[in-house]
Amino acid sequence: NAGVTQTPKFRVLKTGQSMTLLCAQDMNHEYMYWYRQDPGMGLRLIHYSVGEGTTAKGEVPDGYNVSRLKKQNFLLGLESAAPSQTSVYFCASSRGSGTGISGRASSYEQYFGPGTRLTVT
Amino acid sequence: AQSVTQLDSHVSVSEGTPVLLRCNYSSSYSPSLFWYVQHPNKGLQLLLKYTSAATLVKGINGFEAEFKKSETSFHLTKPSAHMSDAAEYFCVVSDDDMRFGAGTRLTVKP
Repeated sequence: NAGVTQTPKFRVLKTGQSMTLLCAQDMNHEYMYWYRQDPGMGLRLIHYSVGEGTTAKGEVPDGYNVSRLKKQNFLLGLESAAPSQTSVYFCASSRGSGTGISGRASSYEQYFGPGTRLTVT
Repeated sequence: AQSVTQLDSHVSVSEGTPVLLRCNYSSSYSPSLFWYVQHPNKGLQLLLKYTSAATLVKGINGFEAEFKKSETSFHLTKPSAHMSDAAEYFCVVSDDDMRFGAGTRLTVKP
């Protein structure tokens, strides 16, 4: 039982390059999330998914795209990387039953991956 | 809209002394509240959560937090700090939406 895994752990990109971050979970969770972490700002939600085949925007979605073709995988793509996307990216998953109007809040805990450190030069 | 404020960006304590990490929130609903810990170069791990059961919540590694609705607070405490507690701590509020606090870095001096 690996929990939540992320690939790669580190990456350096040049401005304008593209890349895909892979998140995989083996807990059969419905909800999956992508966050970015920047100093002094906590975690900010980029995109999330409430089930296979669904995706939705979070707080800071611009410049990112996601896909959830399989329940266990959640991919985050950067089509044209910018220095402002230098950050640490975390994937998380949780059981379903979202609450509230947005549907992305949950009373269940989130399980986080180890993170991907991305630098864009 | 709800929000969460961690009142201290950095807290420093000596080993063996109490720890207090403060979190205030605003919410229009009955929220779920969480504390997560992040050790250096690691992902976040759940310490404890409040979901409208007992207002005093016990978590892992001797941490606990008390939900005080009248004060809109959910402060994290531990009676005696250990060197291994040095980490970043995040308060999270979840009701209509979900928000992370900016984090509090805990330093433990020998």
